[in-house]
Amino acid sequence: EIVMTQSPATLSVSPGERATLSCRASQSVSINLAWYQQKPGQAPRLLIYGASTRATGIPARFSGSGSGTEFTLTISTLQSEDFAIYYCQQYNNWPPLTFGGGTKVEIK
Amino acid sequence: QVQLVESGGGVVQPGRSLRLSCAASGFTFRNYDMHWVRQAPGKGLEWVSLIWFDRSRIYYVDSVKGRFTISRDNSKNTLYLQMNNLRVEDTAVYYCARAATTVTEYFDYWGQGTRVTVSS
Repeated sequence: EIVMTQSPATLSVSPGERATLSCRASQSVSINLAWYQQKPGQAPRLLIYGASTRATGIPARFSGSGSGTEFTLTISTLQSEDFAIYYCQQYNNWPPLTFGGGTKVEIK
Repeated sequence: QVQLVESGGGVVQPGRSLRLSCAASGFTFRNYDMHWVRQAPGKGLEWVSLIWFDRSRIYYVDSVKGRFTISRDNSKNTLYLQMNNLRVEDTAVYYCARAATTVTEYFDYWGQGTRVTVSS
């Protein structure tokens, strides 16, 4: 099973600032990595797939990078609606499909 | 527009059974792999099960093997999860999710979830 580790667990950022979230895989997942955003009481929403491709309707301030075992989600200029929990997920080697533990982006 | 609507959650005692349903609309259901993903209270996301578009392949996370059964009725555009011998640790919100394409198993659409509580 591929273990996905996200860091930090919590990120405190001021609106308008840049946020950088990390996701590490226990073995290579190539670029088969997705990012999701989840707000309280809501279902997750797909942000990024293929490590760097934005899903339909996702603003350009969200960008993904990386390959192999190291991945990054960057939110260039945080808006109020971006404060949420972010999860990475690998789909390279399954079953099982596995998620990271999440990074909570909170208002500083 | 794509819609996934789960139902069937509730409160159940350990060892009992529950059947979840997910009604799909807005897309050609029979062409897509479908998943169940769960989230325990205050915890992260955990993938539970996958059924291929044509039901030819089925997969489970180890913790539910032998207890949960995923199925689908492509004529009714509905996904199911039969959960038997439920345990306290199965308590979670259960989401159905659509895979973007077969084999590239990331989730492009999610339902709103249905809550399952296993408690004596």
